[in-house]
Amino acid sequence: ETVMTQSPTSMSTSIGERVTLNCKASQSVGINVDWYQQTPGQSPKLLIYGASNRHTGVPDRFTGSGFGRDFTLTISNMEAEDLAVYYCLQYGSIPYTFGAGTKLELK
Amino acid sequence: EVQLQQSGAELGKPGTSVKLSCKVSGYNIRNTYMHWVNQRPGKGLEWIGRIDPANGNTIYAEKFKSKATLTADTSSNTAYMQLSQLKSDDTAIYFCAMGVNWFAYWGQGTLVTVSS
Repeated sequence: ETVMTQSPTSMSTSIGERVTLNCKASQSVGINVDWYQQTPGQSPKLLIYGASNRHTGVPDRFTGSGFGRDFTLTISNMEAEDLAVYYCLQYGSIPYTFGAGTKLELK
Repeated sequence: EVQLQQSGAELGKPGTSVKLSCKVSGYNIRNTYMHWVNQRPGKGLEWIGRIDPANGNTIYAEKFKSKATLTADTSSNTAYMQLSQLKSDDTAIYFCAMGVNWFAYWGQGTLVTVSS
């Protein structure tokens, strides 16, 4: 199965900061990667699909990029509501696999 | 508006089975896949498998092949997941999610607690 390795595991950030989250696949998955945001007690929410496409209603401060094995989610101007755990998901091969998540916390 | 409404929390004894439901409103499940994902306490997300409700075809992650059984009833627009031979490490929140590749819509989750 394709292992998705996210880094860092957690990150301390400040409001207004630019944040970059990484996800590396153990084999090429093309552009078949999504990013999800989960806040405590809530269901995950789709942010980015197909590596770089912003889902409906997602603020444009969220940007996804990457191809093959390396993928990035960038938050250009961190807001308090962005404090959450972020997961990447690959659907290029079965089984679909999630990364272990990156938790964004306030400094 | 698309909504996925999952059934309520379950308490199951070790060795028994539970069946979870996920009723979809606002979209015909024949036109998509229904996926199930779990999240153990304090842990990350894990894909269990998916069903194509149009034909009943299923795909499972290897570790769930003998644990989970996915079905769907297109007449009621509802997806189901049965978990069998419950063990303590099946304690988790189970989410249903809808989409062919990306999961644009999610249920609220069902907490399954396995305890004697």
